[in-house]
Amino acid sequence: DTEVTQTPKHLVMGMTNKKSLKCEQHMGHRAMYWYKQKAKKPPELMFVYSYEKLSINESVPSRFSPECPNSSLLNLHLHALQPEDSALYLCASSQDEPGQANNEQFFGPGTRLTVL
Amino acid sequence: QKEVEQDPGPLSVPEGAIVSLNCTYSNSAFQYFMWYRQYSRKGPELLMYTYSSGNKEDGRFTAQVDKSSKYISLFIRDSQPSDSATYLCAMSKSGTASKLTFGTGTRLQVTL
Repeated sequence: DTEVTQTPKHLVMGMTNKKSLKCEQHMGHRAMYWYKQKAKKPPELMFVYSYEKLSINESVPSRFSPECPNSSLLNLHLHALQPEDSALYLCASSQDEPGQANNEQFFGPGTRLTVL
Repeated sequence: QKEVEQDPGPLSVPEGAIVSLNCTYSNSAFQYFMWYRQYSRKGPELLMYTYSSGNKEDGRFTAQVDKSSKYISLFIRDSQPSDSATYLCAMSKSGTASKLTFGTGTRLQVTL
């Protein structure tokens, strides 16, 4: 089973709202990722959790806040977003086994976010 | 210069054709190479994953890596209308959790 699930599928929010995106995987993977993808562009990495330790893309604004409750779950908390943050938000996971080459990343279906 | 170059297309081919999709890269530190297929408004689906020069085959798909030329390819045999999608190449420098560097994606249309 190579499934990464994401909820919700679609989200519309105002600039003053607080919302959260959720991601879950049951493949025993130890690394999880958040990507942002704008239309007709490739995904851009936002955050990586590897063995529940966070690495950040420093260009990501603080209105995006990741949380990794455990190795199977990944949340992205959203607060005071701007209309330009409207995009497809993708979660991915990988095995991240040191010394092993099978660390390909598997993506979820994404959450399509619209900020009004 | 971008680290990974990929022709955005669109590429239009008739059903049954052999499709060749390509990416070039400039940084020899890239060691792991992936091809993803992405349908409109969906997440990327991993098609192929390789980490050595040479060919890797899976069904109608063949991935080819030439590290000396910094060139990777994906071949699709007997293309079908259901193959119509955007194909993204991606690569990373490390086998462990690390940033994927994507090409811009090539939009493929397979016509009846």
